[in-house]
Amino acid sequence: KAGVTQTPRYLIKTRGQQVTLSCSPISGHRSVSWYQQTPGQGLQFLFEYFSETQRNKGNFPGRFSGRQFSNSRSEMNVSTLELGDSALYLCASSLGVTTGMNTEAFFGQGTRLTVV
Amino acid sequence: AQSVTQLDSHVSVSEGTPVLLRCNYSSSYSPSLFWYVQHPNKGLQLLLKYTSAATLVKGINGFEAEFKKSETSFHLTKPSAHMSDAAEYFCVVSVRTGGSYIPTFGRGTSLIVHP
Repeated sequence: KAGVTQTPRYLIKTRGQQVTLSCSPISGHRSVSWYQQTPGQGLQFLFEYFSETQRNKGNFPGRFSGRQFSNSRSEMNVSTLELGDSALYLCASSLGVTTGMNTEAFFGQGTRLTVV
Repeated sequence: AQSVTQLDSHVSVSEGTPVLLRCNYSSSYSPSLFWYVQHPNKGLQLLLKYTSAATLVKGINGFEAEFKKSETSFHLTKPSAHMSDAAEYFCVVSVRTGGSYIPTFGRGTSLIVHP
């Protein structure tokens, strides 16, 4: 059974640009959550989607957005990149109707974004 | 509001000796609590979770944790460390508020295992 797949694994972008990250959940999982991991702030929850609807949202500015498609694949977009957006972005999928980690989340290996 | 404090940023043990990773939480409501492990260049993997059933929770790879409401603690233990346990460990609290779940992560504890 394939795990959670995140693409690309590594990205380098220039300040001011925008970026789109992709996450393919485990087959049959309908919920996808996104997290940001940085040395300074640690791991922080961005948002969660279930059945193409955003169900939970963390405390991030509107530059961070996401969407989920009918096949449960999800994309995360960051506009007007700042140096501080450099981070490992993790995606997780789960079966549960609502997660926020209340049910088991299975994580991908992440996308390492570097903003220069 | 909820918060999680992992009391040690680094824990160093010898192979074969017990492991204790400490976690304290604060929450206005009944929380769900989790421990996750992250090996280098990997995503997070669930070790165990507490969701108001038994207070002593057994997880994978010989880990267990005890929920102590009076002490607001959820410490992770393992009787005998193995070299493969060397990793970053995260304690997570999740509370349902207004129909939403917002997980809050601890800052992580790096477990170092010496031969």
